[in-house]
Amino acid sequence: SALTQPPSASGSPGQSVTISCTGTSSDVGGYDYVSWYQQYPGKAPKLMIYEVNKRPSGVPDRFSGSKSDNTASLTVSGLQADDEADYYCSSYAGLRNLVFGGGTRLTVL
Amino acid sequence: EVQLVESGGGLVHPGRSLRLSCTSSGFNFGVYAMNWVRQAPGKGLEWVGLIRSHRFGATTEYAASVKGRFTISRDDSRAIAYLQMNSLKSEDTAVYYCCREADRYHYGRLTFDYWGQGALITVSS
Repeated sequence: SALTQPPSASGSPGQSVTISCTGTSSDVGGYDYVSWYQQYPGKAPKLMIYEVNKRPSGVPDRFSGSKSDNTASLTVSGLQADDEADYYCSSYAGLRNLVFGGGTRLTVL
Repeated sequence: EVQLVESGGGLVHPGRSLRLSCTSSGFNFGVYAMNWVRQAPGKGLEWVGLIRSHRFGATTEYAASVKGRFTISRDDSRAIAYLQMNSLKSEDTAVYYCCREADRYHYGRLTFDYWGQGALITVSS
């Protein structure tokens, strides 16, 4: 994948976990158009974060995003059982239009 | 309620063609760009392509992996987006999602606020 994510992450209920998404200056580092999607098995992805750190209506404020240089991050605070899912980052990439990360499986222990 | 429903998936032989439809409802289809994203079995998401609204000429963009083989079109009168897939290869096997691109003035570029349930395309002999 064009963006690099760790394949897995985990945390106990109530804890915080951060998932990274590393790209280049041509995508993550070049634009503030990073989104994060949550996907349950067999289901369509759901938008959780857009423009690096903005939450759509209805997404809990336990989900937050940030970016530093070529790496974006998604932090899930106060982990809950139903946060267990796959998380994908995406970034606008100019002429390549859009690139995704390989996805991170979040496990709530 | 916004709904996107893909149809037309199935099993197809390598080298053949298939067309997916994405029937939309619950919003003003004609003012939105529509995208296709695919997911191979057990793999991550891959952007396939987009079609802009007619306000922007209904122009299209494609991923390098499908350019020249796939064509996206739209019928605003019926609120349907299409993905025509030609010269299919085994590596095109995936669930194909139709996605609405959110208003970029409020959500930035290539942010997908609604997704269909997906249609499975299996390319195999």
